[in-house]
Amino acid sequence: EDQVTQSPEALRLQEGESSSLNCSYTVSGLRGLFWYRQDPGKGPEFLFTLYSAGEEKEKERLKATLTKKESFLHITAPKPEDSATYLCAYSGSARQLTFGSGTQLTVLP
Amino acid sequence: GAGVSQSPSNKVTEKGKDVELRCDPISGHTALYWYRQRLGQGLEFLIYFQGNSAPDKSGLPSDRFSAERTGESVSTLTIQRTQQEDSAVYLCASSLGDYSNQPQHFGDGTRLSIL
Repeated sequence: EDQVTQSPEALRLQEGESSSLNCSYTVSGLRGLFWYRQDPGKGPEFLFTLYSAGEEKEKERLKATLTKKESFLHITAPKPEDSATYLCAYSGSARQLTFGSGTQLTVLP
Repeated sequence: GAGVSQSPSNKVTEKGKDVELRCDPISGHTALYWYRQRLGQGLEFLIYFQGNSAPDKSGLPSDRFSAERTGESVSTLTIQRTQQEDSAVYLCASSLGDYSNQPQHFGDGTRLSIL
């Protein structure tokens, strides 16, 4: 059965303390692996799309990587404004995205 | 440019009433999606529209849920005879074309509360 699992569920970091969020997936025919950021009371905000194993994308303090079984979102020297829930999702043969349950990140000043 | 717009932002209604939620996608986006997000949970797919093709309704949880879309613009999601378990945030997203690897862009949702 196709599925996506995110870990940890919650993560607290001190400002400047780098870490990684994990997204493990089992899906046949992966078309794309997506990362979103969601702030409280807001809709998910698109961050990255990864299409094939070995691909990496960066934006400011965030870098997303993809292997055949998982994706990582690396956060380098995070700031309090990076606090949010980070969602990963995949697209396969169906058009809709299948989402993980998210990692709630808190960055303390 | 304008993003995905949803209205109302909040809706409180009594159990048994019907509700209608509206979504205005990004101009030029031909694909439109509805998702539901229960408190503390991930997003659940409800329905997908692409151009004039028949919608994919495979995620609708019951026949009380229906949705329409006018051409490639506005969509409405209707929930009839609302139940307390329908309380959730209903999110709309749009994307370019009928390509499953295109990113979807989301509105801020309608927060629905059933008393």
